Amino acid sequence: QSALTQPASVSGSPGQSITISCTGTSSDVGSYNLVSWYQQHPGKAPKLMIYEGSKRPSGVSNRFSDSKSGNTASLTISGLQAEDEADYYCCSYAGNNIYVFGTGTKVTVL
Amino acid sequence: QLQLQESGPGLVKPSETLSLTCIVSGGSISSSTYYWGWIRQPPGEGLEWIGNVYYTGSTYYNPSLKSRVTISVDTSKDQFSLKLTSVTAADTAVYYCARREEGYYYWGQGTLVTVSS
Repeated sequence: QSALTQPASVSGSPGQSITISCTGTSSDVGSYNLVSWYQQHPGKAPKLMIYEGSKRPSGVSNRFSDSKSGNTASLTISGLQAEDEADYYCCSYAGNNIYVFGTGTKVTVL
Repeated sequence: QLQLQESGPGLVKPSETLSLTCIVSGGSISSSTYYWGWIRQPPGEGLEWIGNVYYTGSTYYNPSLKSRVTISVDTSKDQFSLKLTSVTAADTAVYYCARREEGYYYWGQGTLVTVSS
């Protein structure tokens, strides 16, 4: 099972919107609406930002949203803020109770 | 508030077995709603899913690690464990335990395991 492909880095200015892509295959992202998204600050454990099924956990800003088209899922952060600077990972169900993470994207707020 | 805490040796010799335990507090590991998982992150690299266990003992593993991994659960102690055999330097990573519910919401703080002689 290969890691899902994410861009290594994405940047934006405060207030802008950015989108992080997460490309898999027809065996994972393309077959299931079961992609979750995580934010990770340096030295910290990942934090769930989007549940499978595009739901946000309590306390997560509605500036975070996701979408999917074919084999690619995307996370959009609108109204970018300095605190959003972190690494972001997608994770998809890949069938047979197996999961696969993305390669990770470093978000920089300019 | 649910808490997860990884414990185990921080240093393991090459070819030996890495053993970690995740202690769950503030909730029962026996809930039928959740799976319990291990995820690792080599220094400076991305997350890698290792596997999940259900409270019944059913296990699901990353195919690339399946031949070396065993995850088990002890409901009497509200804990679950990871064993990884025949480790090499490539297994050096921060190992996280987490609870799955449509995503991994609760995570342990992570524990660094270094494989070195």
